[in-house]
Amino acid sequence: DIQMTQSPSSLSASVGDRVTITCRASQSIDSYLNWYQQKPGKAPKLLIYGGSTLQSGVPSRFRGSGSGTDFTLTISSLHPEDFATYYCQQSYTTPTYSFGQGTKLEIK
Amino acid sequence: EVQLVESGGGLVKPGGSLRLSCATSGFTFSDYSMNWVRQAPGKGLEWVSSISTGSSYIYYADSVKGRFTISRHNAKNSLYLQMNSLRAEDTAVYYCARVRVGSSGWPFLDFWGQGTLVTVSS
Repeated sequence: DIQMTQSPSSLSASVGDRVTITCRASQSIDSYLNWYQQKPGKAPKLLIYGGSTLQSGVPSRFRGSGSGTDFTLTISSLHPEDFATYYCQQSYTTPTYSFGQGTKLEIK
Repeated sequence: EVQLVESGGGLVKPGGSLRLSCATSGFTFSDYSMNWVRQAPGKGLEWVSSISTGSSYIYYADSVKGRFTISRHNAKNSLYLQMNSLRAEDTAVYYCARVRVGSSGWPFLDFWGQGTLVTVSS
């Protein structure tokens, strides 16, 4: 099984800050890496797929990068609506999947 | 507009059974593989099960294998999850999610339902 590890588990930041979240796979997953945003009481929302492709309608301040085992999600300038929990997901072993444990982004 | 609406959650005793449904609309259901993903209270996301378009290929997480059964009815645009021998650790919000494959072959879950809560407790 491929394990996905995110860091940090939580992060405090201010509106306008640039933040980076890291996701590491226990083995190479090429670019089979997706990022989701989840707000309390809501379903996850797809942000980025294939490591770096922005889902339609997602603001350009979100950027994904990486391949192999190390990936990052960067938000260039935080907006108030960006405070949420972010999950990475590997789809290399499709049709089975695994998620990172999540990174909670909180307002400082 | 793509919509996925789960139902069937509720309170069940340990060892009991429950059947979840996911009604879909706004897309050609039979063209897409589907998944169930769950989230225990205050915890992260856990993939549960996948089913291919024609139900030929079915996969389960080890944590539910032998107890849960995924199925679909393409004519009714619906996905199901039969859950038997339920345990306290199965308590979670259960989401159905559509699988889409990008132009470069990368799969992702592009649409999710709002979730249905399953609580296993005596």
